[in-house]
Order: sequence, then structure tokens, then C-alpha cells
Amino acid sequence: AQTVTQSQPEMSVQEAETVTLSCTYDTSESDYYLFWYKQPPSRQMILVIRQEAYKQQNATENRFSVNFQKAAKSFSLKISDSQLGDAAMYFCAYRSLYSGAGSYQLTFGKGTKLSVIP
Amino acid sequence: DAGVIQSPRHEVTEMGQEVTLRCKPISGHDYLFWYRQTMMRGLELLIYFNNNVPIDDSGMPEDRFSAKMPNASFSTLKIQPSEPRDSAVYFCASRRETSYNEQFFGPGTRLTVL
Repeated sequence: AQTVTQSQPEMSVQEAETVTLSCTYDTSESDYYLFWYKQPPSRQMILVIRQEAYKQQNATENRFSVNFQKAAKSFSLKISDSQLGDAAMYFCAYRSLYSGAGSYQLTFGKGTKLSVIP
Repeated sequence: DAGVIQSPRHEVTEMGQEVTLRCKPISGHDYLFWYRQTMMRGLELLIYFNNNVPIDDSGMPEDRFSAKMPNASFSTLKIQPSEPRDSAVYFCASRRETSYNEQFFGPGTRLTVL
């Protein structure tokens, strides 16, 4: 079974600064998907960014980018020019590429609470 | 799209009572997922459906939990009888087979069992 670990329960960043959230995972599969979801106080889970394991290029979405290190099984999220609206829980998630019972589920880490200091 | 709709947003009940949570997935989505979020265990998948058929219910904690999807636009998660340890936020999510593997989440139902 796959596991996802977020070792930073809480982090803070000064507004306009850059912050990196860590995520590691354990899997025996060679192809899979990785995601970062944001959960603001409203509780809504919002997809921030996705990465296919077979792509070497790191995904980027505006101020959000990832550092995907497949050999190290590491998938960190970098938020540049942090804004007050970035304050939220951030969850790293894993999804298998293969079909079969259970493979369509997302396996989530425990989350990192990000605070943005004005 | 209206997004995934869940009701109620908040539910407070007493131990032993039956609780029914409702979900309307995004139109055209083939998959529907029920998750539970707690501080202790984080986000856990309870069950998921494909074309209204339950595919994997291995995450359902015990027989007190049941889920149904009578049609493509509606699903329920029922807890009977409810217990205080069931207190959590329950999320419904849906995705389309041909989508880029993204699951769209509803706003969640916060359940408190006294």
C-alpha cells in the first residue's frame, strides 16, 4: 500500500516571500500521479497542482510549482510571492495509474497548515 | 457546473440516532467517492462508485456505515446507529473517466455526534 508523509504539521511565511512544503511517499509502482490540494477554512478541497510520474518536467501553475524527485520519492510544493489567501491546509496526495479495485482512490498525507504573516 | 453538492453542511445528532448524508456529483461524472476527515486519521477513503456501482468499500469502518448510489446524480452515506467517534467532516468527490484524474470535492458535511 502506498503511504504519503508530510513531515511539517505547520509552517509560516511572510507575505510576498517564498515557502516550500515537503511531501514524501512510498510506492512500488513506477507510474502514478501526485497532487497538491489546498483546504482553506471554508473546508473546500481545491486542486492546486498535479504531476505525472512519467514526466520529468516539474509542473507549474502560476505562483505554485513542484520539485518532483522520483528517485527520492519526494514531491515538494513551492509557493512564490505568498499571499494572505494562500493561508490554508495543504495536502499532498498520491494516485495509482493502474486500474483495479482501489486504484482510483487518492491517498492523502496528514497535511501542513500554512500561515501567511502580513 | 454547480460543483459537487453536499447536504447538510452541518449535522448535530445524539448517539444512537440515524444520520444520512447526501451528495450530488457533477453531471457527467462516472466516479463518486466518499471520504472522512478527522484530526487523528486525516483524509480516508470510505467507498467509491463507478457508474453507480460500489467498487471498493474496504474503507467503510464497520457495518454501521452504508452507502448507496441509486442513480447517477445522487448518493447517500448512512450511519446507523451513530456514535461519538463518528464525528468528522465527510466529503463527497466525483470525477469523470476521461478527466485528467482530478477529483472535484464537495464542501463537506461536518457531523457531530453527542
